[in-house]
Amino acid sequence: DARVTQTPRHKVTEMGQEVTMRCQPILGHNTVFWYRQTMMQGLELLAYFRNRAPLDDSGMPKDRFSAEMPDATLATLKIQPSEPRDSAVYFCASGSAAGERTDYGYTFGSGTRLTVV
Amino acid sequence: QKEVEQDPGPLSVPEGAIVSLNCTYSNSAFQYFMWYRQYSRKGPELLMYTYSSGNKEDGRFTAQVDKSSKYISLFIRDSQPSDSATYLCAMSRYSSASKIIFGSGTRLSIRP
Repeated sequence: DARVTQTPRHKVTEMGQEVTMRCQPILGHNTVFWYRQTMMQGLELLAYFRNRAPLDDSGMPKDRFSAEMPDATLATLKIQPSEPRDSAVYFCASGSAAGERTDYGYTFGSGTRLTVV
Repeated sequence: QKEVEQDPGPLSVPEGAIVSLNCTYSNSAFQYFMWYRQYSRKGPELLMYTYSSGNKEDGRFTAQVDKSSKYISLFIRDSQPSDSATYLCAMSRYSSASKIIFGSGTRLSIRP
């Protein structure tokens, strides 16, 4: 079963520390998304990449968040410095878009539950 | 105002009942409409997918889109306890592998 793998599953950190979350998209998927989910805001799109190039990161606080795809098998989301308001579940998802042919929907990972104290 | 509005519930119904879940949206450019199901402590998974207006049926699930009213629905027939989850509507302007906007989700509980 193809799946999106996210690490770590849980992270507790102190305010001000750097946090790095990693995502391994499904092999062959060329589009990767980062979402944040909270009770208050629901699922918010932070950024997404196609063929490793950033397409939209308008949902991401630029001063402290950064997203990269160093290669096709790894996407990272970093927060530096972290703040208590960053506490949320961060989801990575991947999908396939190739010209006129697209697969339907994304496949989500199980998420990284981040707590900043 | 959010682009996509969804009643958060919670909604509790007895096993076997018909469930109706709904979303409204404001952006008339949306063309692709989806329903995702999310179990506790899991990522959302795609349940149904519809392009433009109309109905789509898959087993016990039926998705309806009314673009003129900017209203989409998901119906679950013969609901089962295993259907207990949060259901999120989602929509996008272009293909499904483009930017998707999610509703806040409706928490559904099916009582045995």
